[in-house]
Amino acid sequence: DQQVKQNSPSLSVQEGRISILNCDYTNSMFDYFLWYKKYPAEGPTFLISISSIKDKNEDGRFTVFLNKSAKHLSLHIVPSQPGDSAVYFCAADEAFNAGNNRKLIWGLGTSLAVNP
Amino acid sequence: NAGVTQTPKFRILKIGQSMTLQCTQDMNHNYMYWYRQDPGMGLKLIYYSVGAGITDKGEVPNGYNVSRSTTEDFPLRLELAAPSQTSVYFCASSYSQGLWGGELFFGEGSRLTVL
Repeated sequence: DQQVKQNSPSLSVQEGRISILNCDYTNSMFDYFLWYKKYPAEGPTFLISISSIKDKNEDGRFTVFLNKSAKHLSLHIVPSQPGDSAVYFCAADEAFNAGNNRKLIWGLGTSLAVNP
Repeated sequence: NAGVTQTPKFRILKIGQSMTLQCTQDMNHNYMYWYRQDPGMGLKLIYYSVGAGITDKGEVPNGYNVSRSTTEDFPLRLELAAPSQTSVYFCASSYSQGLWGGELFFGEGSRLTVL
């Protein structure tokens, strides 16, 4: 059962417009959420994160919003650039064995295409 | 800093063969991980290590073994390769797994095909 869901496998936007990538989760014990970006033939790279005590975190063109009651988070990219074209993974942090050995639960990713 | 380095980048194995995927990091990170990513799927944790000499199973450990004799190196061993192990393998490391988790640094991946 997928605990972290990215329901849109792909998204296409025009350069300069806003990209909104969505992520839903089912486990209310998740307390930290991360977005990773992946280019073809490369490993994922960390983009932005948010803890459950916040509802928004901003870093330049990237903003992540967290709605705990809806168990939903979204990544906004404004303005979108062709170099943003990549697969974006949402990941949630879950306590593992009730200790400090936490592990990330990953969504399946959304492929973003930003068209010039 | 090179970050996380994985070798080989590509490998084709025959069923029943064995091989080791190498992973080394130069960031002095305590935590290291092996993930696999199947086509159209998210990342699944195979094994992880919280420090030299300590390893533990992740979500999908069957068919794999790991060791962590040094802080820098975390090799993944495939014994008796099976077609189900065809995947892209990512090694990652992090400084800590503190209260707020920790940013993972990934290698470029190793694409393994078992025929």
